Amino acid sequence: GNSVTQMEGPVTLSEEAFLTINCTYTATGYPSLFWYVQYPGEGLQLLLKATKADDKGSNKGFEATYRKETTSFHLEKGSVQVSDSAVYFCALSDPRNSGNTPLVFGKGTRLSVIA
Amino acid sequence: DVKVTQSSRYLVKRTGEKVFLECVQDMDHENMFWYRQDPGLGLRLIYFSYDVKMKEKGDIPEGYSVSREKKERFSLILESASTNQTSMYLCASSLYPAVPDAFFGQGTRLTVV
Repeated sequence: GNSVTQMEGPVTLSEEAFLTINCTYTATGYPSLFWYVQYPGEGLQLLLKATKADDKGSNKGFEATYRKETTSFHLEKGSVQVSDSAVYFCALSDPRNSGNTPLVFGKGTRLSVIA
Repeated sequence: DVKVTQSSRYLVKRTGEKVFLECVQDMDHENMFWYRQDPGLGLRLIYFSYDVKMKEKGDIPEGYSVSREKKERFSLILESASTNQTSMYLCASSLYPAVPDAFFGQGTRLTVV
């Protein structure tokens, strides 16, 4: 099946620093790619997504580009804030024999932003 | 907004008990999922359902079963709880297989003692 590898954390940054969280994937076919965020004590929220090669997903100042040639979907933000402290999960849609496509997640990267 | 509601935020159960985790979504989504979240392992798919009374095993179904009698409700059942099932359980739903964006509940932290 398909799988996702993302950089291990924790990542600690100062406010206004540049953020990159690396994500690479292994897939047959052309999955959709996602970034989810989990704030302390909450469930996961969809942050952004891309459905085909060269698509760029963006939301709340975060961006990620679907790179088929490098099988990557790295998350970036130009200037992080304390409120961005959370766990970030990269995910892809994983086709099953039944035709369904549940999401498969990476292990998560914890980001801490200090003032 | 889609709302996915899990019946309990925290549960403590004894080894050997039968445990029911309930999840309800209010947006008429076709698909529902159960994941467990463990430190260092991320989210792992236990079971999912693509229609009423239909279910499919995920990547770690052992020790679990599910029930979907109504479209909006998806239950995870631990037939005989064990300490290695202590975890955070997350329910999610999505509209169709072709639109796999998943919406998550807040999670149930289950402790088996």
